Amino acid sequence: AQSVTQLGSHVSVSEGALVLLRCNYSSSVPPYLFWYVQYPNQGLQLLLKYTSAATLVKGINGFEAEFKKSETSFHLTKPSAHMSDAAEYFCAVSDRGGSEKLVFGKGTKLTVNP
Amino acid sequence: EAQVTQNPRYLITVTGKKLTVTCSQNMNHEYMSWYRQDPGLGLRQIYYSMNVEVTDKGDVPEGYKVSRKEKRNFPLILESPSPNQTSLYFCASSSVGGAGYTFGSGTRLTVV
Repeated sequence: AQSVTQLGSHVSVSEGALVLLRCNYSSSVPPYLFWYVQYPNQGLQLLLKYTSAATLVKGINGFEAEFKKSETSFHLTKPSAHMSDAAEYFCAVSDRGGSEKLVFGKGTKLTVNP
Repeated sequence: EAQVTQNPRYLITVTGKKLTVTCSQNMNHEYMSWYRQDPGLGLRQIYYSMNVEVTDKGDVPEGYKVSRKEKRNFPLILESPSPNQTSLYFCASSSVGGAGYTFGSGTRLTVV
């Protein structure tokens, strides 16, 4: 069975600083991996996804993530945080084409300080 | 506009009173799923459907029912709601092939 661990339920950065949100996964087969963002009182929006093509994946709003099989990680980064990045971020894994059982981590709430 | 529509957005009900949360998608997606979101627990899958008349349990199916009689609709039914089903519910849909789910705006349910 797949599982996802997000290290740090809360992360706080200064505006302009590097954003690094950590995600480690467990899967018995090659996974499909996703990052979603949830702004207050909204649904989840897909940021980016890894589906076995390039290991460095670029998403919306300047975010990117790198799939590292040896470390079973899929960390999310952004070089320079903006106030509008404040939200909760969820990492998710699937091993059946990404469309059936999607397992989520518990989320990381990102705060951006001025 | 491609979207997943859930109704209602907010619902307060009493223990034991049957309710249905509707979900509809206009993207002709095969896969649909229901999740509940609780603080500190993230999102947990309740039920999912791979196509019309094909559904399966997720991680927390107890107390819920679903049906998929039409491709676009995937209602969530609580036959006898209890306070522990107070939560934020999301419906989502996806095409095949790792596209990732598109989520609705959520239904905040309170059972008193």
